[in-house]
Amino acid sequence: DAEITQSPRHKITETGRQVTLACHQTWNHNNMFWYRQDLGHGLRLIHYSYGVQDTNKGEVSDGYSVSRSNTEDLPLTLESAASSQTSVYFCASSESARSEQYFGPGTRLTVT
Amino acid sequence: AQKITQTQPGMFVQEKEAVTLDCTYDTSDPSYGLFWYKQPSSGEMIFLIYQGSYDQQNATEGRYSLNFQKARKSANLVISASQLGDSAMYFCAMRGDSSNTGKLIFGQGTTLQVKP
Repeated sequence: DAEITQSPRHKITETGRQVTLACHQTWNHNNMFWYRQDLGHGLRLIHYSYGVQDTNKGEVSDGYSVSRSNTEDLPLTLESAASSQTSVYFCASSESARSEQYFGPGTRLTVT
Repeated sequence: AQKITQTQPGMFVQEKEAVTLDCTYDTSDPSYGLFWYKQPSSGEMIFLIYQGSYDQQNATEGRYSLNFQKARKSANLVISASQLGDSAMYFCAMRGDSSNTGKLIFGQGTTLQVKP
């Protein structure tokens, strides 16, 4: 069955380190999204992509970057991790801009 | 600016009864989509139901229905015959179509607890 996976599922890192969270989907969806979930804020969009070589900033993109070298993967990089980036990170994909988004299982990141 | 508001931080319902989770939205887009997602304690986000702004009928998916009142800008989720497995956090989300980006704006969620 097609699916969307994230790795690692849990990560503890130190302030200032670079961290990359992986997202992989097998639906061949062009649209992929990264969100972060924090108490009191629901889910907020970090970055999104409509296809290979396309990336766009969301509402909370500062300190994060993404790259899209193929259809299946959209890795999220924290250039220099900060304690404010401690959160649960969700990757999602959709067939089109107007389709429902399917979410990965999430990555819980703790920055100490 | 687009905004989703879920005013009920927590709700209780008795097993087998129906429950309504409230969601109001604000957008200037003439075309938009409204979604509900379920997040159980295990953490994954599960898509439940979708309503398009031009859909004439309220969306239904099994025990889930979306009470869409466009003039009131509300998109309440109705769960019929609640089950213990319905205990979870529920998020309302909106997609504005003018930019054709597919971006979702989420509410802060409502925690539902189903009592046996």
